[in-house]
Parts: sequence; structure tokens; C-alpha cells
Amino acid sequence: SYEVTQPPSVPVSAGQTATIPCSGDKLGDKYVSWYQQKSGQSPVLVIYQDNKRPSGIPERFSGSNSGNTATLTISGAQTMDEADYYCQAWDSGTAVVFGGGTKLTVL
Amino acid sequence: EVQLLESGGGLVQPGGSLRLSCAASGFTLSSYAMNWVRQSPGKGLEWVSTISGSGLNTYTADSVKGRFIISRDNSKNTLYLQMNSLRAEDTALYFCAKDLGGPAPSPHGMNVWGQGTTVTVSS
Repeated sequence: SYEVTQPPSVPVSAGQTATIPCSGDKLGDKYVSWYQQKSGQSPVLVIYQDNKRPSGIPERFSGSNSGNTATLTISGAQTMDEADYYCQAWDSGTAVVFGGGTKLTVL
Repeated sequence: EVQLLESGGGLVQPGGSLRLSCAASGFTLSSYAMNWVRQSPGKGLEWVSTISGSGLNTYTADSVKGRFIISRDNSKNTLYLQMNSLRAEDTALYFCAKDLGGPAPSPHGMNVWGQGTTVTVSS
């Protein structure tokens, strides 16, 4: 079955750029979505179709996907961005697959 | 306002059954594929199952295949998850989530999530 992998944690200084990778075999051939989940809350879609932002999501959130790696970028990270982030891909054999999640710590 | 409200969770013994419901409001349920996603305590998100808008096509994770059945009643604006032969490892918060794309399951993500309902499997 298809799998995608994320690092468990990523630290970033406030105001700096955070990059969260998501890797999988030929992931660039699939669409990737990203979700933000703050403690005790339901997930929120922040990026879909690799690089599109739903309405209401700040412009500092962006995404890319090429080769074997998709990346969520948060430009000018704020303390309010501290959360768990999950990538998600769709594979014709496995259907939906989530990464293990990355805890973003804003220092 | 688009909303999803899950119900039906609770404490059940190993080997038991539960049926979760997800009541949708603010949109036409039949126009979208729907998903169940679970999260074990302190763990990440795990996809459980997806159903097309018509209900004719379903997809289920290997970890629950043969035990869980997803269904929907569009006339009642409700999504279901029938869970049988429950195991301790099924203990989790179960979310229903609306597909972004349309009636066919899409790779475009889930743009509306409920608050979840808790299932605890324990003797």
C-alpha cells in the first residue's frame, strides 16, 4: 500500500519561514493536501491540489509538489501557526493516505 | 453554514458493534463524497473509509476492511459507519469529513470536518 512520510517535528523561529516536507514514491504525480490541527480541535484544510489555498487561509501558507516530495511552506511563521500538520495524498490503489504528522514549534 | 455533527460513539466491549452517524447541514449531501477519518489518543490521522455521493462506490482501509461498512442516506442528510467486531485498537476519535471536489471521491482533500465522536473499545 502507498505511504507518505513526514518528520515528527519542525522548529521555527517566529517570523522565519517553516518548511514541512512530505515524501512518497512519485508523490509529484499525485495531488497533495495539507491539514492544520491545533490541540483539541478538528483538522483544517490549508492547502489542496498541491498549492491552492481555501478561502480564509492566510497567504503565508503555500505548497509545492515535485518528484518524491511535497512541501508546505509557512512564510513569516506566527505563534498561532503552532500545530500539527498532516499531508494527505490520493492513490488509486490505497485511496486516501495521511502522513504521520509534523509538530510545528514556533520558538 | 456548512456543518457536520457526529454521534453514536461510546464504550463497547471487544467484539461488539456500534453505528456512528454524521448529520450534514448547509449543503446538499448527495453532491459530495464523504469520508470517515479516525485519530487514536495522542496519534495521527488515519483514513477509514470514503463513499461517493450516490453511495454506489466505497473505499475502505485495510485495517478495518470486512469489519466496518460506510453508507449514506441522502434523503436524511446523514452519513453512517457501521463498526463490527471491534478491537481495542479501534479506540479513537472518529471524524466525518466532506470531500472538496464533488460526488466522486477526489484527490482534492476534505474541506469540512465535524468535531468527532469518541469510540472506546474496552472490557
